[in-house]
Amino acid sequence: DAGVTQSPTHLIKTRGQQVTLRCSPKSGHDTVSWYQQALGQGPQFIFQYYEEEERQRGNFPDRFSGHQYPNYSSELNVNALLLGDSALYLCASSPLGGGLDSPLHFGNGTRLTVT
Amino acid sequence: AQTVTQSQPEMSVQEAETVTLSCTYDTSESNYYLFWYKQPPSRQMILVIRQEAYKQQNATENRFSVNFQKAAKSFSLKISDSQLGDTAMYFCAFMKLASGTYKYIFGTGTRLKVLA
Repeated sequence: DAGVTQSPTHLIKTRGQQVTLRCSPKSGHDTVSWYQQALGQGPQFIFQYYEEEERQRGNFPDRFSGHQYPNYSSELNVNALLLGDSALYLCASSPLGGGLDSPLHFGNGTRLTVT
Repeated sequence: AQTVTQSQPEMSVQEAETVTLSCTYDTSESNYYLFWYKQPPSRQMILVIRQEAYKQQNATENRFSVNFQKAAKSFSLKISDSQLGDTAMYFCAFMKLASGTYKYIFGTGTRLKVLA
């Protein structure tokens, strides 16, 4: 049973460029959330997707956008990259019901470096 | 808005000893969920233990247990018989269900080092 998979593992981009990160949720999970984790910090919630719609959004600018496909996989897009976007981007999946019986399952993350 | 505070940026413990990591949170909700996640150098966040707020009994999972004080909004993690493999960042997380969906808020983490 494959867990949450993310690609790529590492990525280096230049300021102003655009980037797309990808995530496949754990089998049986239909909800995908994205988190930004700056060095030495806790994960910060970006947004959550369910049924191909953005259901919740954290305090991130519109430069951060996403998509969910019918197979539940998801993409995170960041436009006009800033140096401050350098971070570990974590994808997490769960059944929508949430709660104690369905905690978040995380991928290994994508390390994005903006130069 | 909910907040989660971990006041210990770093801690160390000798192998086989016991260590307690602190977590406090702020919320006006009456029912919610609390979690401890572990993030080793491999980067993957792994669930350690979970607690539902309306349950008074403290959760335990093998060597890991929590001290949940709802009135004080405190949720500490106790690791008994510490092992070298417990070396990692530990994050406390608050989760609530709302309108058919849910949201997690994480603390800033505690870096735990287990010494041989």
